[in-house]
Amino acid sequence: NAGVMQNPRHLVRRRGQEARLRCSPMKGHSHVYWYRQLPEEGLKFMVYLQKENIIDESGMPKERFSAEFPKEGPSILRIQQVVRGDSAAYFCASSPGMPANEQFFGPGTRLTVL
Amino acid sequence: GQQVMQIPQYQHVQEGEDFTTYCNSSTTLSNIQWYKQRPGGHPVFLIQLVKSGEVKKQKRLTFQFGEAKKNSSLHITATQTTDVGTYFCAAEIKAAGNKLTFGGGTRVLVKP
Repeated sequence: NAGVMQNPRHLVRRRGQEARLRCSPMKGHSHVYWYRQLPEEGLKFMVYLQKENIIDESGMPKERFSAEFPKEGPSILRIQQVVRGDSAAYFCASSPGMPANEQFFGPGTRLTVL
Repeated sequence: GQQVMQIPQYQHVQEGEDFTTYCNSSTTLSNIQWYKQRPGGHPVFLIQLVKSGEVKKQKRLTFQFGEAKKNSSLHITATQTTDVGTYFCAAEIKAAGNKLTFGGGTRVLVKP
């Protein structure tokens, strides 16, 4: 009974490169959320997706960031042309129903931009 | 601006003592959840409160939802070193859309 999977766990990119973060939700969960966390700070909501649909992307920067949750395969958070300020831990969570339900978090991807 | 405020930001506790962390909002909350994140780890769900004035207990942890559904508290008795971590509250705020809004967290350090 695997939990939420995220890979890679650590990702190093140089400025200007692309970062792709993957998240496989728990079995049976069709709701996925992406959060960003800076050191010593809280979780900042980025985007909420259901299969093939973006429900709420109000927390995601309009430029360089995109997310998808295809019918088959994991959810992907994509950051183009990364900058040093993108360095953070990115957590994915999933739930079987609406966001008000318990969310199960993955181990996170720690992105470092050199 | 931040709609869910947590205080204190840091809590240094002597092992065996009690402490309380608070979560406050200026708007009415549909429900509130609490999560714990160990150092270097990921958030783990602890509890959800839905009803006004609701109180729930988990061993040494007592969670309360305010009567006006604008605040919540987590009280830990007889703190242990295993309680180290950051405790986050998260709320569904209708005005904020269909998502959870997390507080900034209370970072708990336990002195043995």
